Amino acid sequence: QVHLVQSGAEVKKPGSSVRVSCQASGGTFTTYIISWVRQAPGQGLEWMGRISPILGMANYPKKFQGRVTITADRSTSTAYMELSSLKSEDTAVYFCARDSDGGSYWPYWGQGTLVTVSS
Amino acid sequence: DIQMTQSPSTLSASVGDRVTITCRASQSISSWLAWYQQKPGKAPKLLIYRASSLESGVPSRFSGSGSGTEFTLTISSLQPDDFATYYCQQYDSYSPGFTFGPGTKVDIK
Repeated sequence: QVHLVQSGAEVKKPGSSVRVSCQASGGTFTTYIISWVRQAPGQGLEWMGRISPILGMANYPKKFQGRVTITADRSTSTAYMELSSLKSEDTAVYFCARDSDGGSYWPYWGQGTLVTVSS
Repeated sequence: DIQMTQSPSTLSASVGDRVTITCRASQSISSWLAWYQQKPGKAPKLLIYRASSLESGVPSRFSGSGSGTEFTLTISSLQPDDFATYYCQQYDSYSPGFTFGPGTKVDIK
């Protein structure tokens, strides 16, 4: 059984950075790709990027390039998402998700981490 | 970038109703489409992948169809547990990237 457990809620000042972790258990960490998805209060879902732990390669949509960094630590089966230059609009719940065969959908999700950006 | 639209944005229905939600892509995505259900304060739950494949453990009253640019999610007989928001999600193998539709909220009539 695959479980993704995320780090706890964060409160950050505008202009700072936040790092959220996602530890995986069950299954082989390096075999599958981890994505990050966020959801602002009352809004829809937005894909932020993904990483292949076995390759160590990440890719990001244009909107987040230069501001998001996704990494993976194979020794602890943990993926990280760091978002820099935080703005109030980055206040959201951040989810990690693991794909399945083929990589086009996500059967497994973390519980979500609320990041609040406020002065 | 591929854009996704969903209709309706809100749907009021009763237990036992047949419900259909439509998702459209701005260009062909073959069958690279998934559907998720989300309840308040929870992570999304995968229902359908590759347009029409039912995820393990998901009740058979959920079904998906379509290919190319138009897709549907159907709930054959709405149950109390089904009142939630539903999102479609596409996978673009060329970018590569993912985009969600804006969501359809199913509430009680």
